[in-house]
Amino acid sequence: AQSVAQPEDQVNVAEGNPLTVKCTYSVSGNPYLFWYVQYPNRGLQFLLKYITGDNLVKGSYGFEAEFNKSQTSFHLKKPSALVSDSALYFCAVRASGNTPLVFGKGTRLSVIA
Amino acid sequence: DAGVIQSPRHEVTEMGQEVTLRCKPISGHDYLFWYRQTMMRGLELLIYFNNNVPIDDSGMPEDRFSAKMPNASFSTLKIQPSEPRDSAVYFCASSLLGTHEQYFGPGTRLTVT
Repeated sequence: AQSVAQPEDQVNVAEGNPLTVKCTYSVSGNPYLFWYVQYPNRGLQFLLKYITGDNLVKGSYGFEAEFNKSQTSFHLKKPSALVSDSALYFCAVRASGNTPLVFGKGTRLSVIA
Repeated sequence: DAGVIQSPRHEVTEMGQEVTLRCKPISGHDYLFWYRQTMMRGLELLIYFNNNVPIDDSGMPEDRFSAKMPNASFSTLKIQPSEPRDSAVYFCASSLLGTHEQYFGPGTRLTVT
């Protein structure tokens, strides 16, 4: 069975500084990996995905994520954080095929001006 | 496209009452998912459909919960009778085979008093 771990409940970062939100996964076979963002009182919005190819994936709003197969990680990064990036971030994984996504518990990112 | 549409956005009801949540997926999508989000348990998959057929309902908490998808453009999640512990935000999401990512609706915030 697949699973996702987001080890940090909360990440605080100063505006303009780089940010990293951590994610590790467990899945049989090749993983399909995703990051979603949830703003207050909104549904989850797709940010980016890794299916195959380059390990560095670029997504919406300047976010990127690096797939590391040996460490089974898919950390979300952004070179310069904005206050508007403050939100709840979810990592998700699925095995190849038509299995549904399995989500982590989420990491709350707070960017301080 | 208007995205995934959910109604109502907020529902307040008394314990023992029947509650029906509604979802209209993105046109053309062939998968539909129902999730529940709470602070304690995070985001839980309740049930999902493929081409209107329920594929996996193992996440449905108990017999008080039922879901239907009578056609490709409409699904309902019903709770009868409702209990205070059912209070949560319920999300519907849809996806298209081969595209991998899921698109979420804005959610229904259910409060059972």
